[in-house]
This record gives sequence, C-alpha cells and structure tokens, in this order.
Amino acid sequence: AQKVTQAQTEISVVEKEDVTLDCVYETRDTTYYLFWYKQPPSGELVFLIRRNSFDEQNEISGRYSWNFQKSTSSFNFTITASQVVDSAVYFCALTPAGSSASKIIFGSGTRLSIRP
Amino acid sequence: GAVVSQHPSRVICKSGTSVKIECRSLDFQATTMFWYRQFPKKSLMLMATSNEGSKATYEQGVEKDKFLINHASLTLSTLTVTSAHPEDSSFYICSAPTSGVDTQYFGPGTRLTVL
Repeated sequence: AQKVTQAQTEISVVEKEDVTLDCVYETRDTTYYLFWYKQPPSGELVFLIRRNSFDEQNEISGRYSWNFQKSTSSFNFTITASQVVDSAVYFCALTPAGSSASKIIFGSGTRLSIRP
Repeated sequence: GAVVSQHPSRVICKSGTSVKIECRSLDFQATTMFWYRQFPKKSLMLMATSNEGSKATYEQGVEKDKFLINHASLTLSTLTVTSAHPEDSSFYICSAPTSGVDTQYFGPGTRLTVL
C-alpha cells in the first residue's frame, strides 16, 4: 500500500526563521515520484518540485530546499528565511513512476503560518 | 507549465439541484483526468479517474450515480453533482497529466456550496 505521512499538522514561525516540513512515505514500488505542492488560501495547488526515486540529490531553489533520503523514506522540505507569503498549506505526495496516468497519493498537509 | 482550467470557480445552489463542473486542459490533450474532493482543512481525496471515450473509474465509497463524470473529448472532463445536498458542499479539484511526463497539473478548483 502507498501512504504519505505529514506528522506536522500546523507550524507557526516568525518571519525570517527557517522551517522544515517533514514528509515520510511508504510504497512497494521500486520507482516512484515524490512531489511537494503549495496550496495558498485561494485554493489552487501550486507545483513546487518533483523528485524521481533514483535521484537522491538534494535540491535547492532559492529559499526552498528539499532533502530526499531513501534510507528513511523521507522527503523533507525546508524554507529558509521564511516570509509571510510562504503562509499556506503544503502537501507532500507520491505516485508510481512509468505512467503519467497514475493516481497521486497526498499526505494530510501541513498548515504553515508565518507571523510578521 | 501546462494549464488546466475549471469552471465555475465558485457555485452556490439549492438542495436538490444538479451542478456541472468543467475541467479543461488548455494547451495539451489529456486522455485521463482526475477528480479530487477536499473538505475544509483536509487533504485531497481522489474521487474518480476520468477516461476519454470510456467509463470513469470511481474510488471506493464514491457514488457513481451521484457524481457523474463525462470525458467527452481530449481536453474536457465534466463532473456533475446530481441532486446536490448540503453534505456535498466541498472544494472540487481536477488534474490532468501531460503525455510522457509524470507530473499532473491541477485546476484552480471549484468551491461548491449547497444550501
């Protein structure tokens, strides 16, 4: 069975602090994709990153960075120097690789609040 | 990236009426689209997989007679909530994968309120 766990339901930090959102997944597939999406109050899902299970290199994009560790089945997301605009719900997700028509399994989401 | 649109973005209807939500892939063709439902402060739950030219595949517990899905063309899937009731009030989101790329693009969502 596939499962994505985001243990942190809500996080609140003061602006400019760094914050890490945890994601742990379970899958029996040997190849898969992991995703992070941002959902601001408007409701639209914003794609942030896709990571192939074969690629364990960490990635940095501006203030965002992702740490993928296959050994612990984790795909954590860190925001450096957080800003108020980062306030949103963040979802970690998983899908088998090899078919673009595969279902996406979402975690329960972490609601991030950045206080000025 | 690819663009998926949804219409309407927000709808309020009376109990007992039916509501149709459209999902369109604007710059690519999608033989498959997905419909999700999201309750307030909850995650997205997959309702069904919409297949162009064939019947939709529904997830366990989703009433197919209640949530009618039609995938009439390679760029359009519709979700009709029949005889809507207040408990059907929710945020409905569709997604579509682009061919050859294992990434799905999501529509902006439709907020349904049934009075």
